[in-house]
Amino acid sequence: EVQLVESGGGLVQPGGSLRLSCAASGFTFSSYWMSWVRQAPGKGLEWVANIKQDGSEKYYVDSVKGRFTISRDNAKNSLYLQMNSLRAEDTAVYYCARHPEGTFDIWGQGTMVTVSS
Amino acid sequence: DIQMTQSPSSVSASVGDRVTITCRASQGISSWLAWYQQKPGKAPKLLIYAASSLQSGVPSRFSGSGSGTDFTLTISSLQPDDFATYYCQQYNSYFTWTFGQGTKVEIK
Repeated sequence: EVQLVESGGGLVQPGGSLRLSCAASGFTFSSYWMSWVRQAPGKGLEWVANIKQDGSEKYYVDSVKGRFTISRDNAKNSLYLQMNSLRAEDTAVYYCARHPEGTFDIWGQGTMVTVSS
Repeated sequence: DIQMTQSPSSVSASVGDRVTITCRASQGISSWLAWYQQKPGKAPKLLIYAASSLQSGVPSRFSGSGSGTDFTLTISSLQPDDFATYYCQQYNSYFTWTFGQGTKVEIK
């Protein structure tokens, strides 16, 4: 079964850091672009970052540039999002998604990140 | 950045109704458009890609059309499982991918 499972969310104070992980199974992870997409409570979807199959290209939405870093370990079939200098507006459910040809065809269940003092 | 605008923001409909949702891009995106369905507390699900291609396993009552700046998602005969929020997403613009604000389909 094709599956993505996120972990690492939680409550963090403004200015703090958090590292999200996403474990992939059921498909050849190293063959796909991968992305993080977030959804603030009661709001719509926002693409956050993505990474090429070999990690050589990475792109970010402007609001997280310089604060978030996406990475992957193809040997471990895992995707990561290092989030630093977190702000209240980063509060959201963060989804890991497979990202072929520009669409998002497989999604994880999401992990909640709450930035609050 | 390309902005995506959906209308209406919400629609009330009954089982068996035909429902149409519109998505407009702020500039031409050819046919690089996808549609997603999201139920409360769940991850989105890809329904349609390339504006009109049905994702594997998606019921044929869902269809998409359009190109350039104007697109539609149609549910030909609304079923109880279809009450959800629907999002469009453009993928014409490399290095940034944007979603519409969503359309909630509610029970009338």
